[in-house]
Amino acid sequence: AQSVAQPEDQVNVAEGNPLTVKCTYSVSGNPYLFWYVQYPNRGLQFLLKYITGDNLVKGSYGFEAEFNKSQTSFHLKKPSALVSDSALYFCAVSFTGGGNKLTFGTGTQLKVEL
Amino acid sequence: DTAVSQTPKYLVTQMGNDKSIKCEQNLGHDTMYWYKQDSKKFLKIMFSYNNKELIINETVPNRFSPKSPDKAHLNLHINSLELGDSAVYFCASSQGGASPYGYTFGSGTRLTVV
Repeated sequence: AQSVAQPEDQVNVAEGNPLTVKCTYSVSGNPYLFWYVQYPNRGLQFLLKYITGDNLVKGSYGFEAEFNKSQTSFHLKKPSALVSDSALYFCAVSFTGGGNKLTFGTGTQLKVEL
Repeated sequence: DTAVSQTPKYLVTQMGNDKSIKCEQNLGHDTMYWYKQDSKKFLKIMFSYNNKELIINETVPNRFSPKSPDKAHLNLHINSLELGDSAVYFCASSQGGASPYGYTFGSGTRLTVV
């Protein structure tokens, strides 16, 4: 079985400040971890993924995420938030031997204010 | 060119009707999916096809029937529509399954049952 938890329904941050969107996971094998972003009335867009190797993964639009195996976490970060980053962010997980199924968290609404 | 395209984008229909949503991908991927996003933005997998073969069939009412005429197309037919079917339905595709490639999503079909 696999599951993903995003403990915060909403994160508010001022423009220019660093942001973190939290994600923890549970899988029965080695995890493959993803972040997607959804803008209003749009589909999900891929941001970044962790498969193996370096625990710090860099993705689109200046986002990065750190894989922490001991804490089973994959938090999304950005050093300096922009108002245009305001969107709904989803963490997702699959795992080795897990076949085709990608399980999503419940989403975190990021609001960046001036 | 749109990688994963869904039609229609919006669908408003009465209870009891039968409707179809179409999905096409031009990425050469061999696996396609249907996800349902409810009013709380929660994403849940419904079906997955690999090279026209059904490989994931989650607990979905049998009023929902996917059809894959070839690996580039995955359609969703819904019989006897109910109010609770109102949601956004996303099509997605991947190469070799979710592990470790992630998905490419369509822009969604917003179904409203009245």
